[in-house]
Amino acid sequence: EAQVTQNPRYLITVTGKKLTVTCSQNMNHEYMSWYRQDPGLGLRQIYYSMNVEVTDKGDVPEGYKVSRKEKRNFPLILESPSPNQTSLYFCASKEAGWTYEQYFGPGTRLTVT
Amino acid sequence: GQNIDQPTEMTATEGAIVQINCTYQTSGFNGLFWYQQHAGEAPTFLSYNVLDGLEEKGRFSSFLSRSKGYSYLLLKELQMKDSASYLCAVDDGAGNMLTFGGGTRLMVKP
Repeated sequence: EAQVTQNPRYLITVTGKKLTVTCSQNMNHEYMSWYRQDPGLGLRQIYYSMNVEVTDKGDVPEGYKVSRKEKRNFPLILESPSPNQTSLYFCASKEAGWTYEQYFGPGTRLTVT
Repeated sequence: GQNIDQPTEMTATEGAIVQINCTYQTSGFNGLFWYQQHAGEAPTFLSYNVLDGLEEKGRFSSFLSRSKGYSYLLLKELQMKDSASYLCAVDDGAGNMLTFGGGTRLMVKP
């Protein structure tokens, strides 16, 4: 089954404790992206990657890091999480080019206390 | 900057037709997407418009006017399962950046 998976689905952590949210896709997509979704603000893009070893900032990259060492994986790293990073996070992937729709993972609900 | 506006909430009756509007002002334009998102779930793709006009896909249709910076999503024969948020998003670059509106929460009542 073609899908994007994320782990964990739910995470409660404390300020400053480094964490990684994994994202994997099995569709051989070149493009992958991370979004956060907050009430009233909609989905905002954090980082995206056009291909292996190629990453770029989205609209809200502060406090986040990403890496793309393999085509199928695109982990999101929070080196020192803060309460304002409490949010619902979605990973997405698509084929390269601007006509293709994005496929979203199931989401990771992160709470930072 | 980028600005995409949608109504926050709409209510409609089962079996009726509803139109969800989206206006945008972006630095570039390479197409407009509509996604559906049920509460607590991931967004799923509904439609894509890059040229002016109407795209029809079953009960769902999407319209685009590039000169007016305007799109709408038309849902016909509403069903209870259509209760969800509908997200308008513009690709304003070369397929790299997708800017989303805040979403329209649609409630379908019996």
